[in-house]
Amino acid sequence: DSGVTQTPKHLITATGQRVTLRCSPRSGDLSVYWYQQSLDQGLQFLIQYYNGEERAKGNILERFSAQQFPDLHSELNLSSLELGDSALYFCASSVADGGGPPKTDTQYFGPGTRLTVL
Amino acid sequence: GESVGLHLPTLSVQEGDNSIINCAYSNSASDYFIWYKQESGKGPQFIIDIRSNMDKRQGQRVTVLLNKTVKHLSLQIAATQPGDSAVYFCAERSQGAGGTSYGKLTFGQGTILTVHP
Repeated sequence: DSGVTQTPKHLITATGQRVTLRCSPRSGDLSVYWYQQSLDQGLQFLIQYYNGEERAKGNILERFSAQQFPDLHSELNLSSLELGDSALYFCASSVADGGGPPKTDTQYFGPGTRLTVL
Repeated sequence: GESVGLHLPTLSVQEGDNSIINCAYSNSASDYFIWYKQESGKGPQFIIDIRSNMDKRQGQRVTVLLNKTVKHLSLQIAATQPGDSAVYFCAERSQGAGGTSYGKLTFGQGTILTVHP
């Protein structure tokens, strides 16, 4: 158990809908990262937040947004869902902002949320 | 266009053998490399990491080797056990201009390791 929690574990919804995925980082970690894992694209970085601020951005679609709250939990919002958004969504956390020594920037992953868009 | 699933490399070994999983990385500016293990239905689990100023690092039953000249990373698992069966990913961290990439990790496609008892 990495200490990172994600809810829900599974989510089934229809095209055009909006969903929210939630992540709680390990105790003491200030950074939260979101990744998407799909069969055809592998593990792809979406976005990083550090202490409430956006820190780095990957190829995140405009239909997707995220935020990190004062208690450091994070939410990933996916809207206008399409069939191709079906994937595993992972959250990871690290102590620091990700750009420093590995000791403080190792990313620990949660168990993921499996999103199925029908 | 039509989506095609990734065809992951596979490695099949007998219990007790040593395993070597290879990875080619893309960015010569990457300063930090990590190996993750992902079991079915679970999130990636950290195994071992190495900084770009090193060429070898050892953990418990695992060794990571880094060859920056050819941009190659390998993970060696000694005395492989059935519990080691999983997909193994290498990941690299690249520092963008002005340090803007921060914690962004770029993952390889993964290798499926199957250990037979």
